[in-house]
Amino acid sequence: GENVEQHPSTLSVQEGDSAVIKCTYSDSASNYFPWYKQELGKGPQLIIDIRSNVGEKKDQRIAVTLNKTAKHFSLHITETQPEDSAVYFCAARRGGSYIPTFGRGTSLIVHP
Amino acid sequence: SAVISQKPSRDICQRGTSLTIQCQVDSQVTMMFWYRQQPGQSLTLIATANQGSEATYESGFVIDKFPISRPNLTFSTLTVSNMSPEDSSIYLCSVDQGETQYFGPGTRLLVL
Repeated sequence: GENVEQHPSTLSVQEGDSAVIKCTYSDSASNYFPWYKQELGKGPQLIIDIRSNVGEKKDQRIAVTLNKTAKHFSLHITETQPEDSAVYFCAARRGGSYIPTFGRGTSLIVHP
Repeated sequence: SAVISQKPSRDICQRGTSLTIQCQVDSQVTMMFWYRQQPGQSLTLIATANQGSEATYESGFVIDKFPISRPNLTFSTLTVSNMSPEDSSIYLCSVDQGETQYFGPGTRLLVL
């Protein structure tokens, strides 16, 4: 089955810096890669996603890149703010499946 | 995106008792999922609940311990039976909509 590795497990940055979270996947049939943000006491919220037919997608301060050949994808957050502090999960889903495989999560701490 | 609510939001229970968690969605959905998130961990799928059929359980989860109901296309329940402290977790309801999974706010369960 699919295996998703996520790094780092913890990331601490100063406000205004950029943050990058990286994930690798094992199943070459995976074609959909969502990212979720989970704030304390809440459920995971989808923040951005990318499909295998594109290499990059941006939404304001957030961007995701995908390298299908290397089977890795990354989340980039620019100009970080304290409210970006949360746990971020990457996931990969195989075509035809409803169920994604999640990474272990990255705890992002943005210091004011 | 679907709006998902869960009840209760949190509970403290005694070992040996059972708790039923409710999940309500604001639109009709075919696929509903139940996840467990142990403290500081990633998301583990318990089962997929389809309306009109038995739930499909993942390896390591059984119907006797986690019975699920899905009476209609907007509602599902998960029961955690004969609880032990190891069942202390966040339980999350999720739906698939437009190839994307959306999550409820979660139920935080502590078993003493």
